[in-house]
Amino acid sequence: GESVGLHLPTLSVQEGDNSIINCAYSNSASDYFIWYKQESGKGPQFIIDIRSNMDKRQGQRVTVLLNKTVKHLSLQIAATQPGDSAVYFCAENRGEGGSYIPTFGRGTSLIVHP
Amino acid sequence: DSGVTQTPKHLITATGQRVTLRCSPRSGDLSVYWYQQSLDQGLQFLIQYYNGEERAKGNILERFSAQQFPDLHSELNLSSLELGDSALYFCASTLAGVEETQYFGPGTRLLVL
Repeated sequence: GESVGLHLPTLSVQEGDNSIINCAYSNSASDYFIWYKQESGKGPQFIIDIRSNMDKRQGQRVTVLLNKTVKHLSLQIAATQPGDSAVYFCAENRGEGGSYIPTFGRGTSLIVHP
Repeated sequence: DSGVTQTPKHLITATGQRVTLRCSPRSGDLSVYWYQQSLDQGLQFLIQYYNGEERAKGNILERFSAQQFPDLHSELNLSSLELGDSALYFCASTLAGVEETQYFGPGTRLLVL
């Protein structure tokens, strides 16, 4: 889910479990979505993207699901590993004047216990 | 290592001062984006440049300005600094537009005292 104020929602899982991180986006005109991973002290790192003409896209151990009806995005991580511990952000992008403007969610902190 | 470099890594300054943050995009990337990340606002898009020209503008204050030089490096200028400007400032680069993967730099941590 998305955070309010200073505290990020946290998802704690055991190593090997599957993780699901959710994101609600706000603009029905958004047509391109990205998930990022941010480890402590580092910049965000691209994980996977999806366009609005798709409802599912798979990568290596990650799957993104898009439900445009309810403006919801989820990131599924299979067989979660300790190295997956990080903050995960979704970003919605809308076209504007020939470019895309990203709006980021607050993020979810994923903690993977060995 | 994303290939995007940012300097300085840390910056401590006082209210009312002006600072310049520098970003060098990945080799071959033409587009640079600037973001501000703070605890209360999260990650916010500030501005995008493409091949030296401003392409898109986000939540960038009038006290802030940016430019992209012919060698494609970019600078973000922050003036009349306030306590609330304390944040992490990231730049990211792509080949052309935001639809490609954005590669983020390590960020500059700005502390305004």
